[in-house]
Amino acid sequence: QKEVEQDPGPLSVPEGAIVSLICTYINIAFLYFMWYRQYSRKGPELLMYTYSSGNKEDGRFTAQVDKSSKYISLFIRDSQPSDSATYLCAMSASGTYKYIFGTGTRLKVLA
Amino acid sequence: ETGVTQTPRHLVMGMTNKKSLKCEQHLGHNAMYWYKQSAKKPLELMFVYSLEERVENNSVPSRFSPECPNSSHLFLHLHTLQPEDSALYLCASSPGQGPNTEAFFGQGTRLTVV
Repeated sequence: QKEVEQDPGPLSVPEGAIVSLICTYINIAFLYFMWYRQYSRKGPELLMYTYSSGNKEDGRFTAQVDKSSKYISLFIRDSQPSDSATYLCAMSASGTYKYIFGTGTRLKVLA
Repeated sequence: ETGVTQTPRHLVMGMTNKKSLKCEQHLGHNAMYWYKQSAKKPLELMFVYSLEERVENNSVPSRFSPECPNSSHLFLHLHTLQPEDSALYLCASSPGQGPNTEAFFGQGTRLTVV
């Protein structure tokens, strides 16, 4: 079983839809959680960084962490065609530089 | 453009060649990383340097050799690579004096081994 599971997609939604992306994990020691967006032929761009549990909001993006159920979520409100990209989750335990990444979910927002 | 710059952007090399990838960060960060990204696989951490010292031990073939001459520059020296080493090689940096801070990535070097 992979340490971090992420549905590869593709996930296709109409413009304006609310998008929900999820990563599940098995290591209860993970405390730091990140979401990245990666456009084709580009490097990953950090979207959200959260510590431990709870929600974090930034514009149209909301990140949630549910440590009891061991999953994290990224919600995108009012999705735009420019949101079409691959979304990567990453997480790490305390005291390590090693981030564990999901395989990424490819999102397509249709105009 | 990001604060992490990688050169070259594309590289094609034969299995007997020696080449180097370069990364430079303009963010004043203390840690730098090399990651490998292959199709349909998660990013794999290869090497981490914090304040120019290598930290974290990861199992990476010796045909990949990192070098960190200062906190702003990171190199990946390549020799006698295999076709399965073809991938996107990403450099990243992170702030802070220790781990568990967010990483910022460069645009990557697309490597093709022929």
